[in-house]
Amino acid sequence: AQTVTQSQPEMSVQEAETVTLSCTYDTSESNYYLFWYKQPPSRQMILVIRQEAYKQQNATENRFSVNFQKAAKSFSLKISDSQLGDTAMYFCAFMKLTGNTPLVFGKGTRLSVIA
Amino acid sequence: DSGVTQTPKHLITATGQRVTLRCSPRSGDLSVYWYQQSLDQGLQFLIHYYNGEERAKGNILERFSAQQFPDLHSELNLSSLELGDSALYFCASSVGGVWTGWYEQYFGPGTRLTVT
Repeated sequence: AQTVTQSQPEMSVQEAETVTLSCTYDTSESNYYLFWYKQPPSRQMILVIRQEAYKQQNATENRFSVNFQKAAKSFSLKISDSQLGDTAMYFCAFMKLTGNTPLVFGKGTRLSVIA
Repeated sequence: DSGVTQTPKHLITATGQRVTLRCSPRSGDLSVYWYQQSLDQGLQFLIHYYNGEERAKGNILERFSAQQFPDLHSELNLSSLELGDSALYFCASSVGGVWTGWYEQYFGPGTRLTVT
């Protein structure tokens, strides 16, 4: 079974600064997907970024980028130029490569962006 | 707006009661997943349906059941409710398929269940 661990329950960052959220996972699969989801106070789950394990290049989406270390089973999220709207819970998630499988989530990191 | 709808948004009921949560997937999506988000357990997968058939079960209690109808909407039935069942229940849909590949799961807004 896969497990996802987020060791930082809460973090804060000043507006315009950079913050990194950590995630580690455990799996015996060699190919899989990793995700970061954002859950703002509205509770809506929003996909932030996706990484395919077979790709060596780290994914980027505008101000969001990941540091994917497959051997270490580590998948951190870096948010650059933090904005007040980035305040949310962030969940790291794992999915097997086989299509149509459920997501396995970490327990989340609550990020507060301070003006 | 993800295109996935869930009703009701909020539900307050008493212990021992039975409730039904409804999910309508995005147009064209064949897969429906149910997840439970509670304070102590985080987000956990409950069950997955693809085109009317159950595909996978996660940490779903025997008191809970689900089905997906021919029009592809899905219902999650929770019975003999306990205080610990209070949670946010999400439905997510995806295009799905039986071949290897990635299909984004689009989440609905959730149903907040409070058991008193």
